[in-house]
Amino acid sequence: DIVMTQSPLSLAVTPGEPASISCRSSQSLLHSNGYNYVDWYLQKPGQSPHLLIYLGSIRASGVPDRFSGSGSGTDFTLKISRVEAEDVGVYYCMQPLQSPFTFGPGTKVDIK
Amino acid sequence: EVRLVESGGGLIQPGGSLRLSCEASGFNFSNYGLSWVRQGPGKGLEWVSAISGSGGRTYYADSVKGRFTISRDNSKDTLFLQMDTLRAEDTALYYCARAGYNTAGGTYWGQGTLVTVSS
Repeated sequence: DIVMTQSPLSLAVTPGEPASISCRSSQSLLHSNGYNYVDWYLQKPGQSPHLLIYLGSIRASGVPDRFSGSGSGTDFTLKISRVEAEDVGVYYCMQPLQSPFTFGPGTKVDIK
Repeated sequence: EVRLVESGGGLIQPGGSLRLSCEASGFNFSNYGLSWVRQGPGKGLEWVSAISGSGGRTYYADSVKGRFTISRDNSKDTLFLQMDTLRAEDTALYYCARAGYNTAGGTYWGQGTLVTVSS
């Protein structure tokens, strides 16, 4: 099974400052089609998760451009260029490449 | 507008069975893979099961393999999860999610249905 790890597990950020979350997979998520099969989700308090980034670096519809995804193979990063109060919640990476599909443990982001 | 509405959750005794449903609208149902993802109380997301658009391919987490069965009725735009031999550790909010580019993944999510396994 592919194990997904995230760091840090919690993060407190000053509004307007950048934030970065790392996700690592135990096996390469690089598909033969050249895309990395890693998604990023945000679950705001009391809400269902929603998709931020798919295929490693493509922003989902309606996602602000302050969110960006990067990385390849086994190392991936989600960056928020300028954190806003509405960005609080738990961020998860997930691999939809190989069953069993797996989520990372989540990174809780709070505002200082 | 894409909508996913889960139902069928409730309180069930250990060893019992429950069938969850997810009614979909706003997209061509048979074109997309669907998943069930659960979240235990105070815990993170756990992928449970997925099914391809045609229903011909199914996938399960090790924790539910042999106890849960995923299926879909493309004529009724509905996804199902038959849960048998339920355990206390199956207690969770169960989300239905529609894939985007692959069988798994969640471009769209429902609001979830709560399953509580307790005597």
